[in-house]
Amino acid sequence: NAGVTQTPKFQVLKTGQSMTLQCAQDMNHEYMSWYRQDPGMGLRLIHYSVGAGITDQGEVPNGYNVSRSTTEDFPLRLLSAAPSQTSVYFCASSYLPPGQGRGQPQHFGDGTRLSIL
Amino acid sequence: SQQGEEDPQALSIQEGENATMNCSYKTSINNLQWYRQNSGRGLVHLILIRSNEREKHSGRLRVTLDTSKKSSSLLITASRAADTASYFCATERQGKSTFGDGTTLTVKP
Repeated sequence: NAGVTQTPKFQVLKTGQSMTLQCAQDMNHEYMSWYRQDPGMGLRLIHYSVGAGITDQGEVPNGYNVSRSTTEDFPLRLLSAAPSQTSVYFCASSYLPPGQGRGQPQHFGDGTRLSIL
Repeated sequence: SQQGEEDPQALSIQEGENATMNCSYKTSINNLQWYRQNSGRGLVHLILIRSNEREKHSGRLRVTLDTSKKSSSLLITASRAADTASYFCATERQGKSTFGDGTTLTVKP
């Protein structure tokens, strides 16, 4: 059981380039989310999805787009990379959104380390 | 703005000692979860406590929740070098998780 898989693990971009960070989960989870983690800080929510075809903005959505065409995949697109987007990006999934039902953990990928020059 | 704030930011102890980390938050919550992050890896879930619970145990972990003070604590007993990691609390409400900045724990052999 692979869990949450993120690709690539590392990426270097030049300012203005675009790219897509991939995230796939094999647990049939409805809820998926993207976070960024800056040095010495916690995770900040970028975008999230409660199911295929449904996405919404989190705390720091500017400069990022997402789509959810299948339950398994939730790619994150950087439209025009900026140095301020240098960070570690984590994808997570859970069966239900946080706080719903009796609660369940989010499962995280190992992250994509992105540097923008 | 960050909902959860951990205290202390960093903690260094000897193997065998207990480690206590605290988390404070600002608004009402549904659940609170604690996660661990080893260097260079993703977060791993440790324990969930619901808003109507006051204490949970899991192995060497003990979590308390005081909703009147909007605070939670994570106690790791008899710490091991392998417990060296960053620990994050995450508050859950309205379908979103909000993470604190974490406590970095170093356990010296």
